[in-house]
Amino acid sequence: DAGITQSPRHKVTETGTPVTLRCHQTENHRYMYWYRQDPGHGLRLIHYSYGVKDTDKGEVSDGYSVSRSKTEDFLLTLESATSSQTSVYFCAISGGGGDYEQYFGPGTRLTVT
Amino acid sequence: KNEVEQSPQNLTAQEGEFITINCSYSVGISALHWLQQHPGGGIVSLFMLSSGKKKHGRLIATINIQEKHSSLHITASHPRDSAVYICAVRVNTDKLIFGTGTRLQVFP
Repeated sequence: DAGITQSPRHKVTETGTPVTLRCHQTENHRYMYWYRQDPGHGLRLIHYSYGVKDTDKGEVSDGYSVSRSKTEDFLLTLESATSSQTSVYFCAISGGGGDYEQYFGPGTRLTVT
Repeated sequence: KNEVEQSPQNLTAQEGEFITINCSYSVGISALHWLQQHPGGGIVSLFMLSSGKKKHGRLIATINIQEKHSSLHITASHPRDSAVYICAVRVNTDKLIFGTGTRLQVFP
């Protein structure tokens, strides 16, 4: 299995509070992704990174920000959590180049009350 | 209309049956992925293919680029195959578009 961890694995928070989710990889892969998974929807891309300090928006980026200050860590921040951000969040990594497989972390279940 | 459509959405089978899950897409792609998500939530890549057919154990994936269609077959299904199977297409070098998944339950 690819070395990807996510923390926390579960979190309950109140509306309006800031939340940061962490994705950590030990594979030295260039690309990192944050997705959310909701019933009735496929996995949807929130933000992704193609290198240290290089990030771009996905299809559902409103209300989220990201940072990548080193290769191994990709942080997802909800500046002011809302109930619509209750979801399961997955991080994924990819080597790019000749290897376009995406390897997924275990997921973080976030509940915003 | 979703760019990636899977059918069926739900599928039940008896152990030993041959299973087919379909994926159709409406965009140009460079590759197609099949993923498996177990009840515990973890997502595992099964196949990545851009043409033809791949086989791994009892799993077979095929793709027809002209028809914009892929199938995932499971031969001699087993209860441990119960999971959600997800089709995803790669539309450029670094992004995937996902289907909503097919929930498979295999009963003994």
